[in-house]
Amino acid sequence: GAGVSQSPSNKVTEKGKDVELRCDPISGHTALYWYRQSLGQGLEFLIYFQGNSAPDKSGLPSDRFSAERTGGSVSTLTIQRTQQEDSAVYLCASTRSWDRTNTGELFFGEGSRLTVL
Amino acid sequence: AQSVAQPEDQVNVAEGNPLTVKCTYSVSGNPYLFWYVQYPNRGLQFLLKYITGDNLVKGSYGFEAEFNKSQTSFHLKKPSALVSDSALYFCAVRDMGMRNFNKFYFGSGTKLNVKP
Repeated sequence: GAGVSQSPSNKVTEKGKDVELRCDPISGHTALYWYRQSLGQGLEFLIYFQGNSAPDKSGLPSDRFSAERTGGSVSTLTIQRTQQEDSAVYLCASTRSWDRTNTGELFFGEGSRLTVL
Repeated sequence: AQSVAQPEDQVNVAEGNPLTVKCTYSVSGNPYLFWYVQYPNRGLQFLLKYITGDNLVKGSYGFEAEFNKSQTSFHLKKPSALVSDSALYFCAVRDMGMRNFNKFYFGSGTKLNVKP
């Protein structure tokens, strides 16, 4: 697609429910990233993918968080048993490739705003 | 580990005046540096980057940034601020090392307020 697409744009859920957030990167981009941003704050790294594998999962806050990527394209971030502190904007980004010839920047989606009541 | 610092949470400037948003970095090896802007309820938009070459980099919306290797800084600048420049600005560094290759580290962000 023309840009990074995220869905849903807004999600309100009750504490304890599971949620899935979806990211569709720019076509042909092999590297995909998830970040979390609390209200007006900085970006917290969660996880990144090269193709379907995740070299670094160190940013996932707890074992309630998981992410996968299939077909080297769409990625899903799943939060199980949501808590109020999970409320934030979840941003997805992609970049062209993994190799050192890629000096490009990250392209961001508009984010998924999660509110846990 | 790579890191980025934005020492100012907020910068206030009058419209028409020059603006500077500060960023310092810590990297091993050559730095790949970026600036992004975020408008309310939007994702981050790329402004400019430094990879190599001239220390003064020009980007979108009249912004530029100066890379200073000795001071490990990459400050964002604009000669004449507009009210529409009011937004949240992020500096970022891309890790080109073996261990965390391709990981992007972001600063905490600086809120720019441009007053009429």
